[in-house]
Amino acid sequence: ILNVEQSPQSLHVQEGDSTNFTCSFPSSNFYALHWYRWETAKSPEALFVMTLNGDEKKKGRISATLNTKEGYSYLYIKGSQPEDSATYLCAPCHQTGANNLFFGTGTRLTVIP
Amino acid sequence: DAGVTQSPTHLIKTRGQHVTLRCSPISGHKSVSWYQQVLGQGPQFIFQYYEKEERGRGNFPDRFSARQFPNYSSELNVNALLLGDSALYLCASSGLAGPGEQYFGPGTRLTVT
Repeated sequence: ILNVEQSPQSLHVQEGDSTNFTCSFPSSNFYALHWYRWETAKSPEALFVMTLNGDEKKKGRISATLNTKEGYSYLYIKGSQPEDSATYLCAPCHQTGANNLFFGTGTRLTVIP
Repeated sequence: DAGVTQSPTHLIKTRGQHVTLRCSPISGHKSVSWYQQVLGQGPQFIFQYYEKEERGRGNFPDRFSARQFPNYSSELNVNALLLGDSALYLCASSGLAGPGEQYFGPGTRLTVT
């Protein structure tokens, strides 16, 4: 079991605002870090899988960075839109050769039109 | 293309009963993972199977068991149900044994009364 912390727990932003969330995890035995978006009444959707220290990934208006030495990752959303409203979950994997994810409790984002 | 499918969608059981949940992965995916999600928490890892072998086990009691079949579908079994087993059970498939994007099913909502 890993201690994964996400902050803030919830966030309300106006449409067009940019925002970011934090995921903290143990830096020892790190293998990979996953970000997922989970919209209400849907299945969690993979955003990024990151493995290397200094990794930066981007998908449209969403990007993420990874610092494995200090054990944190940031997720950024530029110009938030109402369809970005969802819970954003991070999940590190600390086991080589397996895909055991230990999810944080997530950041609940609400984008107000 | 069919995504990950799970059955049943909803289930109500009584304390002490047994339950079997089913998952069919995306065609070609050989890894299946099971997660339990309790309201307000992130998904908790239960099991991962790859090529019909257990690759990982989370911190769950022996009442929880799983298996994977030759067609890579999987079952999660829970014996002697407790009220605390009420949760959303998610199945995720992946093409890899190691870290890679996991594709989640819609989940099975289990209520234990």
